[in-house]
Parts: sequence; C-alpha cells; structure tokens
Amino acid sequence: QKEVEQNSGPLSVPEGAIASLNCTYSDRGSQSFFWYRQYSGKSPELIMSIYSNGDKEDGRFTAQLNKASQYVSLLIRDSQPSDSATYLCAVSGFDRGSTLGRLYFGRGTQLTVWP
Amino acid sequence: GAGVSQTPSNKVTEKGKYVELRCDPISGHTALYWYRQSLGQGPEFLIYFQGTGAADDSGLPNDRFFAVRPEGSVSTLKIQRTERGDSAVYLCASSRELTGGLTGELFFGEGSRLTVL
Repeated sequence: QKEVEQNSGPLSVPEGAIASLNCTYSDRGSQSFFWYRQYSGKSPELIMSIYSNGDKEDGRFTAQLNKASQYVSLLIRDSQPSDSATYLCAVSGFDRGSTLGRLYFGRGTQLTVWP
Repeated sequence: GAGVSQTPSNKVTEKGKYVELRCDPISGHTALYWYRQSLGQGPEFLIYFQGTGAADDSGLPNDRFFAVRPEGSVSTLKIQRTERGDSAVYLCASSRELTGGLTGELFFGEGSRLTVL
C-alpha cells in the first residue's frame, strides 16, 4: 500500500513569512512528485512538479525533493493571504508495469496566511 | 477546449438510481484519470486510462462502478444502484504521456458533485 503523509495542519503564518509544507511517501519507486493547491469548493490546481533530487524554484514557490529520505517539501516565500488554501502532495506509483503512474494524494495541509 | 470539462457539475439522485458522469479531457492528453474526493480528504484514485484502455482500475470500490473511454478522448464514469456513501466530488484529470517512467502533470476539471439521498 503506497502512502503519502503530510504534516498535520492547520498551518497559520503571517503575511510575508515563509510557509513550509512537508510530505513523506512510502514507495521508493516513486519518480514523479507534485504539489497542488485547492481552494475551498474548488478542484486541485497544479503548483509545482519535481522529478529530480534537489530544489526547483518557480516564483515564490520552491519544491524540494530528497528521494533517499522519501521526502518532498514546498516552501512559499513572502506568503500572501491569497495563498490561504489546502495544499496537497501527490506522488506517483507504478502498477502493472505501466509507464504512467497513478498519483497518490495526501490528505492535505490547510494553510492560513493572516494579514 | 482549454481545460478539462466535466458534466454535470452537480447531480442529486436517489438511492438505487443509475448515474453517469462525463469528462472531456484536454486535447492531446492521452492519459485520463478519475478520482473522488470526500470532505477533508485528499483525492482518492479510482481508475486511469491510457488511450482507450483502462491501464489501472484497481481503485474502483466495487462492481457498481464502471468507466469507459471508447474513442480515447471523452470518458464516462458510470455508477449503478447508487448508495448514500457514493456521495462525493468526482474529479477527472488528464495528462500528457511522458517517457522514462515519469508521470505527466495532471490537470483537473472542476468536478461533479454527486449527492445521493
């Protein structure tokens, strides 16, 4: 059973601070990792994808991947109230030898950025 | 279309009825996924297609659930004899095919909210 665990929330940070969201996964074979943002009542929206160890930056967002530790994180710099949402970590797995993996999602971490 | 389109956006039905949910993926995306999401939970995998075939249907909870994608584009999720526990948001997503065993980025539709009374 492949599992994706996210740090329990809710997480609350002041505007302008760095928000740090963490995720661990159980399947060492996973090769594709994603962070999604989900506003209340809306569908998940892709923020970042990361496939290689290290850091990947996109604007105020940085994803970090450490496959040896089976750990992926998302940093949000200069947090804004509009960043308030639930953040979902998603990790790929492989079944039946398929070249495309199903994504396993964590339960999400609710982030609140207060002005 | 520009994004993944799902219909209906809302469906209210009675216990025991049959329901169909439709998904129109992003043009050119070969992979199509169905997930369902309950309140406070992450999306739960149901099934995914590569082209017309179901590459992995192991997430379907029981034989009341079935999905098709006959022409490799639009997909329909079918639920027979609906139960109150089937109430959830059903999300469809599509992605490009990547090489090297990588999974392409999934783009989600707005979902179909199913309520079984």
